[in-house]
Amino acid sequence: GAGVSQTPSNKVTEKGKYVELRCDPISGHTALYWYRQSLGQGPEFLIYFQGTGAADDSGLPNDRFFAVRPEGSVSTLKIQRTERGDSAVYLCASSHGLAGGREQFFGPGTRLTVL
Amino acid sequence: AQSVTQPDIHITVSEGASLELRCNYSYGATPYLFWYVQSPGQGLQLLLKYFSGDTLVQGIKGFEAEFKRSQSSFNLRKPSVHWSDAAEYFCAVGVAGTASKLTFGTGTRLQVTL
Repeated sequence: GAGVSQTPSNKVTEKGKYVELRCDPISGHTALYWYRQSLGQGPEFLIYFQGTGAADDSGLPNDRFFAVRPEGSVSTLKIQRTERGDSAVYLCASSHGLAGGREQFFGPGTRLTVL
Repeated sequence: AQSVTQPDIHITVSEGASLELRCNYSYGATPYLFWYVQSPGQGLQLLLKYFSGDTLVQGIKGFEAEFKRSQSSFNLRKPSVHWSDAAEYFCAVGVAGTASKLTFGTGTRLQVTL
């Protein structure tokens, strides 16, 4: 079956612009996660959803970052007034549920470059 | 808060040689532990995981890892490395019984020489 997909695969934008990154989880997965991976670092947790609601957004760096999952499937990560420091690979993952330790299946990521 | 340390940034081994990648975690209770592999242009793939029970866990591609509570370690091993194993390896910890957000280490890049 299809895995987690993310679009676009690459996004180049200018400082101050608004961007949206999309994640399509594995069908039937109720939990969805966003991570950010900076160059030379491991993925860093941003936010996760159980169904439509954000269960934990403690990893969002500031209020320029926002994510939605209106129908409990596709999610969009939104970044306002982008800064050069936002440049990173944004990873999405999904799993069957939030029970501790359920395997998270990762997408290939969106590489965001802010000029 | 939990944390993960991967002390080796870069490791080079010869094909056919054995491999051990180190991972140390910090967490007050029994964690959920994972090893992921990331190849260039690919998403993270789960190699193996530890929740409880047998401290030696087997994973895909011939990898295994051993949980040692006394050392707060979860080292990844493979008896004989193949050239296709060259990739970035990440250790991660999750909190048992709560949300499954993962805390990752900074990764170890494995280079395999022929």
